[in-house]
Amino acid sequence: EADIYQTPRYLVIGTGKKITLECSQTMGHDKMYWYQQDPGMELHLIHYSYGVNSTEKGDLSSESTVSRIRTEHFPLTLESARPSHTSQYLCASGQTGEREQYFGPGTRLTVT
Amino acid sequence: GNSVTQMEGPVTLSEEAFLTINCTYTATGYPSLFWYVQYPGEGLQLLLKATKADDKGSNKGFEATYRKETTSFHLEKGSVQVSDSAVYFCALPAYSGAGSYQLTFGKGTKLSVIP
Repeated sequence: EADIYQTPRYLVIGTGKKITLECSQTMGHDKMYWYQQDPGMELHLIHYSYGVNSTEKGDLSSESTVSRIRTEHFPLTLESARPSHTSQYLCASGQTGEREQYFGPGTRLTVT
Repeated sequence: GNSVTQMEGPVTLSEEAFLTINCTYTATGYPSLFWYVQYPGEGLQLLLKATKADDKGSNKGFEATYRKETTSFHLEKGSVQVSDSAVYFCALPAYSGAGSYQLTFGKGTKLSVIP
């Protein structure tokens, strides 16, 4: 079944640790996106990718980085986690020329 | 630029009550319009969409009509259930190059339905 996956679903980690949030999709989509969702539920685009080897920064400045080495995989990395990074992170994908985006279940990150 | 204004919540309704969540937008031309739903602990799901003026999107008993005169796309349901408790987002796609569309979201409206 075509889908979009995120791991881990929940992560509690100490300040200063390096973390990678995984996102994979089996829908064959070219476009992929990372959103940060604040406690007030508002969504902010932090990274997106047009395809392999393409990464762009979104509307909200983020200390995280992303890579796109394979079409189906779009991981997000924080080199040194801080409490201000505590948030819900949502990954999404979309097909070239289509307006809809399809979302993964999210990773809830807590940095202590 | 594009913007979406959505009625603020939270909204609390009794089961079988009528639901309206208001959404208005600002955009160039006549974009497609979406409603997404986020159930507790999950990601967003596309609930319904409309691609042109006067279109009505519908799904799971929810409806929304694309009104270009009032630049609105209000979400309605005649009889809500406890299982409809979720956060609802109105969204507007805009072309951002290379065949890609970026979504502008409203701030979300949290709905709680009580038995």
